[in-house]
Amino acid sequence: QSALTQPASVSGSPGQSITISCTGTSSDVGSYNLVSWYQQLPGKAPKLMIYEVTKRPSGVSNRFSGSKSGNTASLTISGLQAEDEADYYCCSYARSNSVVFGGGTKLTVL
Amino acid sequence: EVQVLESGGGLVQPGGSLRLSCAASGFTFSDYAMSWVRQAPGKGLEWVSVISGSGGSTYYAVSVKGRFTISRDNSKNTLYLQMNSLRAEDTAVYYCAKNSRYCSSTTCPTLVPWGQGTLVTVSS
Repeated sequence: QSALTQPASVSGSPGQSITISCTGTSSDVGSYNLVSWYQQLPGKAPKLMIYEVTKRPSGVSNRFSGSKSGNTASLTISGLQAEDEADYYCCSYARSNSVVFGGGTKLTVL
Repeated sequence: EVQVLESGGGLVQPGGSLRLSCAASGFTFSDYAMSWVRQAPGKGLEWVSVISGSGGSTYYAVSVKGRFTISRDNSKNTLYLQMNSLRAEDTAVYYCAKNSRYCSSTTCPTLVPWGQGTLVTVSS
């Protein structure tokens, strides 16, 4: 199972919105609404930010939102804040009972 | 508070074995599938394996199938990962994570919480 494709880095200024894409195939992202997004701060464990493409766990800011079109899922962060600077990973259920992660995207808040 | 805590990492020679443990607390352990995810130094996350709540179903990444074995002891609220025939490319921080209550199947990309990880280094 190949990793999902994410941009290596994105950046934005405080207050702006950014979008991180996550491209898979018809064997994973394209066939299941089971895409999650994780935030990983330096030296910390990943934290769930979005699940089932669009849903936010309790406690996660509504500045974070998810969507999907075809084989590509996206994470949008609006009203960018300095504390959002982190690595972000998408994750999808994949055919034949496996899970696949994206390569990760480093978000820099300018 | 729901918590998971890994242990057992360390330095091992290529071809060697190591067993990781993950102690769980704050939830009914047997009700939830549990996963292992690893992260090589400076690299991204890689799903390794998952086991159902009863232990009756297990699934593995292609990269570890046949070398790693996931298991659990529900009487001890503990998850394990037995790693054999270790290679340099297995060097990573290994995280234990609980399937979310939103998961409808054993294999699920929604994991919460994660432990702090334990470092496995495979080197001579």
